[in-house]
Amino acid sequence: GAVVSQHPSRVICKSGTSVKIECRSLDFQATTMFWYRQFPKQSLMLMATSNEGSKATYEQGVEKDKFLINHASLTLSTLTVTSAHPEDSSFYICSASQGTYEQYFGPGTRLTVT
Amino acid sequence: EDQVTQSPEALRLQEGESSSLNCSYTVSGLRGLFWYRQDPGKGPEFLFTLYSAGEEKEKERLKATLTKKESFLHITAPKPEDSATYLCAVQAKETSGSRLTFGEGTQLTVNP
Repeated sequence: GAVVSQHPSRVICKSGTSVKIECRSLDFQATTMFWYRQFPKQSLMLMATSNEGSKATYEQGVEKDKFLINHASLTLSTLTVTSAHPEDSSFYICSASQGTYEQYFGPGTRLTVT
Repeated sequence: EDQVTQSPEALRLQEGESSSLNCSYTVSGLRGLFWYRQDPGKGPEFLFTLYSAGEEKEKERLKATLTKKESFLHITAPKPEDSATYLCAVQAKETSGSRLTFGEGTQLTVNP
């Protein structure tokens, strides 16, 4: 149980384009979903927290207009990186919580912006 | 502000050589302490949740313990497949939802 999927697993896009990453909870309803960014050999950096049907809460320093988060249902959240630039290249990971204390993580999405 | 410090940053063991990883934390009121395992290029995999000092949990060769200031992840007779980065995270009681504060992780390498 508690399986979270992400799609795509890898994406390469050109500078200036937008990219959408999907995060799904497959066998449970996720009241809260989280989006993290991870740089090589570093720990996870929380970008934003989203509750179903509400606006996302962004961490300090994270641009809301660049990283658009939508949590339209209890099983799906999306992260859209708008007007991507090479510095946005990173490993993006989502997690989901079903109202208990644990977070279950997706497999991650490797974004490369050329 | 909640803080989590993990040590060592990296650890190399020979297969069968038992050891422990440390996670020191400061939090205003601990709701839970979490251990995750992360393989390269993948998302973290949940291992344990500990809620109160004195609590212990085991899974195969791993055993997690908790005190009021730190947690240990003991690895008994490790195998090469235990090689991974182990992440520790805390959740504070006053935190809304299930927000976690992560440590930097310990990269474990087990040589055959």
